[in-house]
Amino acid sequence: GAVVSQHPSRVICKSGTSVKIECRSLDFQATTMFWYRQFPKQSLMLMATSNEGSKATYEQGVEKDKFLINHASLTLSTLTVTSAHPEDSSFYICSTSGTSGMSSYNEQFFGPGTRLTVL
Amino acid sequence: EDKVVQSPLSLVVHEGDTVTLNCSYEVTNFRSLLWYKQEKKAPTFLFMLTSSGIEKKSGRLSSILDKKELFSILNITATQTGDSAVYLCAVDSIYNQGGKLIFGQGTELSVKP
Repeated sequence: GAVVSQHPSRVICKSGTSVKIECRSLDFQATTMFWYRQFPKQSLMLMATSNEGSKATYEQGVEKDKFLINHASLTLSTLTVTSAHPEDSSFYICSTSGTSGMSSYNEQFFGPGTRLTVL
Repeated sequence: EDKVVQSPLSLVVHEGDTVTLNCSYEVTNFRSLLWYKQEKKAPTFLFMLTSSGIEKKSGRLSSILDKKELFSILNITATQTGDSAVYLCAVDSIYNQGGKLIFGQGTELSVKP
């Protein structure tokens, strides 16, 4: 499967600061990337769909001005949590989907995740 | 509203047991159903199912889809402690000319020695 990296793997920040998380597709062109959030003991919740070169599509209830997504190239998407608060503490995971020759279906491959803790 | 429901939510078995995990769904524009295994970190891909009645198999794991009854099962035979994880079922629906995964709550499997 496709190789996806995320950076950082873990971040601790103070309330009110902004945190940027990077998601990279290492071995194929990711026209679409997805950002998920997972709270403890809960499943993955889709936050937004990021398409290369265009604005992200946010799910209902996700504030686009708080969770800024930039997908400037076929290998990199970034999620910036602005003015983070303790309730934003969560596990953030990205996944990629795109033309790779492997499958015409949406066989998403996940990054290792970023654990954000806001103090 | 699209939804994916997994059962049971948690399961404790002993090594060597066989387990069956269930996933039912109500999703418009269904394209495929996927199973993932999650151990502490991000999910790892297990199976993708697109057609009814065709079993996918990988070692001790197997899965099958019933598109008429809208469910899938994941079987694990001769379980080992390394199978302990959360198993996630997700349905891919056609969305905005692309795809969108809708996840179930997951089944937390614990295999005791």
